Amino acid sequence: NAGVMQNPRHLVRRRGQEARLRCSPMKGHSHVYWYRQLPEEGLKFMVYLQKENIIDESGMPKERFSAEFPKEGPSILRIQQVVRGDSAAYFCASSTDRGTHSPLHFGNGTRLTVT
Amino acid sequence: GQQLNQSPQSMFIQEGEDVSMNCTSSSIFNTWLWYKQDPGEGPVLLIALYKAGELTSNGRLTAQFGITRKDSFLNISASIPSDVGIYFCAGRPKAAGNKLTFGGGTRVLVKP
Repeated sequence: NAGVMQNPRHLVRRRGQEARLRCSPMKGHSHVYWYRQLPEEGLKFMVYLQKENIIDESGMPKERFSAEFPKEGPSILRIQQVVRGDSAAYFCASSTDRGTHSPLHFGNGTRLTVT
Repeated sequence: GQQLNQSPQSMFIQEGEDVSMNCTSSSIFNTWLWYKQDPGEGPVLLIALYKAGELTSNGRLTAQFGITRKDSFLNISASIPSDVGIYFCAGRPKAAGNKLTFGGGTRVLVKP
């Protein structure tokens, strides 16, 4: 997991607050993916971004969730007006390109708890 | 959407035993990947399979990409305590980039 940096590792928010999750990809990686993992389940795809562009957001909830990957700085996953059901581990992964043989490297995740 | 059925959901191992787990899908995948996740950490890639029928080893781990492209298995030989963790299969359909579909995981525990 070395290389993909996510922060914070743990985040507690009250219902209605905003959550901002940050991800710095591995050096040289320009493709970033966000996945969500509920307790006792596998990871589910949320969104795929390249620098300044959203390529595929088919796994993102239609409301309250947004993602960006600016030219400078980390990728941000933003959840507005959080609800208890948003409590989960959010993982970021990066790769060099979208090719078949470009393995995904995951960060250690941000564990969001909504109280 | 696509679903991967991973089994068993959990298993107990004794040091030295061989372990097997598998994933099946109703859809075809072009790539199969196996990850291990330790508590509080992200998934770590163990083995990647790119061709139907491919058999690949990584130390004590062996994985195969099924001929039908709808299944894969992972074997761990001569298990050791640090093999404990959750193992996930993941499939990548053609032209999906790195939009992976994950199985539900196999939790490997040590026999008391």
